[in-house]
Amino acid sequence: KNEVEQSPQNLTAQEGEFITINCSYSVGISALHWLQQHPGGGIVSLFMLSSGKKKHGRLIATINIQEKHSSLHITASHPRDSAVYICAVPSYGQNFVFGPGTRLSVLP
Amino acid sequence: SAVISQKPSRDICQRGTSLTIQCQVDSQVTMMFWYRQQPGQSLTLIATANQGSEATYESGFVIDKFPISRPNLTFSTLTVSNMSPEDSSIYLCSVQGHRSGANVLTFGAGSRLTVL
Repeated sequence: KNEVEQSPQNLTAQEGEFITINCSYSVGISALHWLQQHPGGGIVSLFMLSSGKKKHGRLIATINIQEKHSSLHITASHPRDSAVYICAVPSYGQNFVFGPGTRLSVLP
Repeated sequence: SAVISQKPSRDICQRGTSLTIQCQVDSQVTMMFWYRQQPGQSLTLIATANQGSEATYESGFVIDKFPISRPNLTFSTLTVSNMSPEDSSIYLCSVQGHRSGANVLTFGAGSRLTVL
């Protein structure tokens, strides 16, 4: 079973700061997902990536398949970025293993 | 990607009662997934719901406690039965699509359940 770790567990930043959230996993995968969970509980898929780097607005996700590691970066952070960020990797069948999440608070 | 309507968004329930959560998808999907997220924890898969057959439950979850219905390819319900305070969690349904050879995850908005 894939083990997924994230760091940091909690992160507080000032508006405008550059933020990095890390995810590491134990078993090789085909693709990794980054998810955003808002305080109300809803989850939104941010990225699905299998190699290299993807960018969407102020969000950048990178993955190193050989090192089993992915990072999520937020440039020019804003209070509306405050959420829990979760990485997920495929498991058996169509199941996923979810990381414990990184709780981000961006202060104005 | 698919859009999922989930309800209720939140509820406060008394111990011993049951609550049914509904998920409606705007497209036909073969499998729907039900997750539980206990306070401060990550997501745990409860069961996979297939249309026309019984749901497949993960270890630690049983049909008597979490009965699931899947009457068609766009709808599913999860019931949390005989609730106790330990059932206080966020419950989410999810579907998976395919894009560029990999699975794309879509979640409902979640149902935040508090059991008194």
